[in-house]
Amino acid sequence: DAKTTQPTSMDCAEGRAANLPCNHSTISGNEYVYWYRQIHSQGPQYIIHGLKNNETNEMASLIITEDRKSSTLILPHATLRDTAVYYCIVRVGRAGNNRKLIWGLGTSLAVNP
Amino acid sequence: DTEVTQTPKHLVMGMTNKKSLKCEQHMGHRAMYWYKQKAKKPPELMFVYSYEKLSINESVPSRFSPECPNSSLLNLHLHALQPEDSALYLCASSPSGQVPAEHFGDGTRLSIL
Repeated sequence: DAKTTQPTSMDCAEGRAANLPCNHSTISGNEYVYWYRQIHSQGPQYIIHGLKNNETNEMASLIITEDRKSSTLILPHATLRDTAVYYCIVRVGRAGNNRKLIWGLGTSLAVNP
Repeated sequence: DTEVTQTPKHLVMGMTNKKSLKCEQHMGHRAMYWYKQKAKKPPELMFVYSYEKLSINESVPSRFSPECPNSSLLNLHLHALQPEDSALYLCASSPSGQVPAEHFGDGTRLSIL
């Protein structure tokens, strides 16, 4: 069963920030939040992950609430190439590579010119 | 471009055929994964290999048989598949460590006649 819930779809204007929300109210203390995206006809692409602190990399920022029950992925300046399905995911399990990703159903983001 | 290479990109087979899907990575990753993805759904984990040993089998039917000949290669042997097995099959790899990120190939699109 999915541990995350996301809006089914969102729109964003090109050049504006895209803010994608995710709820993960049953997340456990040692479970990380991951975000991936999947552009049509391609494999999923890793974006970012975090535990409790906010994280930023060259692709995006991840804001996690203090109670860890929700998070927001921010694409600061969306382009047409950011149109994709964005998956919010919780990594569960005991250790190392025996952990596995529990995928949400994804948000289909359309970036419009 | 993806660093995880999957072949073939497309495969059509009959229910009595035997075929294999192949996956290769040269990033030195020691964990490799098979996922199945149906249209408009998130990927579903099938198998995980860690250091060339099967560590997770998500109760996959025996008509799917994984094999990890070495740390760079992962195969999925297919036999007596059903039409409902038609899907995109994704391979991924990840480095060792506490919080690995999985790198995905672009998948093999499999159609069962």
